[in-house]
Amino acid sequence: QKEVEQNSGPLSVPEGAIASLNCTYSDRVSQSFFWYRQYSGKSPELIMSIYSNGDKEDGRFTAQLNKASQYVSLLIRDSQPSDSATYLCAVTRLAAMNRDDKIIFGKGTRLHILP
Amino acid sequence: GAVVSQHPSWVICKSGTSVKIECRSLDFQATTMFWYRQFPKQSLMLMATSNEGSKATYEQGVEKDKFLINHASLTLSTLTVTSAHPEDSSFYICSARASGHYEQYFGPGTRLTVT
Repeated sequence: QKEVEQNSGPLSVPEGAIASLNCTYSDRVSQSFFWYRQYSGKSPELIMSIYSNGDKEDGRFTAQLNKASQYVSLLIRDSQPSDSATYLCAVTRLAAMNRDDKIIFGKGTRLHILP
Repeated sequence: GAVVSQHPSWVICKSGTSVKIECRSLDFQATTMFWYRQFPKQSLMLMATSNEGSKATYEQGVEKDKFLINHASLTLSTLTVTSAHPEDSSFYICSARASGHYEQYFGPGTRLTVT
């Protein structure tokens, strides 16, 4: 059973601090990794994708990937109350997607930014 | 870019009736679309994967005769909930992916209430 594991939280972080969200995955051949943000009552929104080991930065967000450790993380700098949401880690197996490839989602980590 | 729409955004129907939900990719061609269901405070549950021009592939435990999926064009997939019952009340979300791409983009979701 291929799995994506996340701490369910809630993770409480003071406003302005760095929020660190972590994810591990079980399928060693996973190649593509995503972070989605889901506000309560809304659908998920793609915020980051990462395919290579190392860091990828986009604004206040940094995704980190370590394939050897099967670990992917998301850092949110200068956390804002509007960042309070559930963050879903998602993983897919192949770099060259075929039509039947599915993204495997973790259950999500609830993040609460304290004003 | 990468906008996915759903219609309707919410619907109330009586038990025993059928409801059709449309999912459209507005600015890209979606060779693959996915249908999810999400109950309150629970994680996303993949129902089926639909490839343009092919029959949908349903996840284990999802009744294909109850949840009819059609993906007749590269921009439109529909989910029909047949003979709806109150236990079918949920948040239904579609997502779409373009050929050769890894990212999956979600529609805003449809909230179904069966009375």
